[in-house]
Amino acid sequence: GAGVSQSPSNKVTEKGKDVELRCDPISGHTALYWYRQSLGQGLEFLIYFQGNSAPDKSGLPSDRFSAERTGGSVSTLTIQRTQQEDSAVYLCASSKPGTGLDYGYTFGSGTRLTVV
Amino acid sequence: KQEVTQIPAALSVPEGENLVLNCSFTDSAIYNLQWFRQDPGKGLTSLLLIQSSQREQTSGRLNASLDKSSGRSTLYIAASQPGDSATYLCAVIRRSNYQLIWGAGTKLIIKP
Repeated sequence: GAGVSQSPSNKVTEKGKDVELRCDPISGHTALYWYRQSLGQGLEFLIYFQGNSAPDKSGLPSDRFSAERTGGSVSTLTIQRTQQEDSAVYLCASSKPGTGLDYGYTFGSGTRLTVV
Repeated sequence: KQEVTQIPAALSVPEGENLVLNCSFTDSAIYNLQWFRQDPGKGLTSLLLIQSSQREQTSGRLNASLDKSSGRSTLYIAASQPGDSATYLCAVIRRSNYQLIWGAGTKLIIKP
């Protein structure tokens, strides 16, 4: 597609359940970020994938959070045993490294996660 | 270590004024610099991308400049409108690993 697609757009889950959030980056984009944003707060870095390099997982807040990127394309962020503090909007962004005008980052619309 | 600073943190001006948002960064080893806009409760929209070799980019009423040697970028908004009210974020794309380094943003309010 033309943009970064995230699904679902909204997710309400019960505390303690596991959730999976999906990000479809723009075709050919090798760089992919996951961020989360709590209400009224700035972007919180979670994880960064770039090509075949080992992902930068330094932003994952706990071992309940994991992410993978299959075939260098689609990425899934998994949160196990969700807690109420996990409620936030989860944003994905992708880019194709280079120096041309087309090589900036594009963000998806996000998944709003609510843990009740 | 790359650090990005945005000044001011918040700005409120009457409709119709021209205004400048500032972004500074400490390491000139960047690929590009990108300006984004975020509306409350919404995702991020890319406004302008400036390559490290460029001095400025323009889109409509927006003009972004880049002075890599001094580590500064400005976003100029001409003839501001209430619809321009949003948080404006700048981010540099680090040359070493293509990662984004973010400023904290400028919250802009345009009063009708």
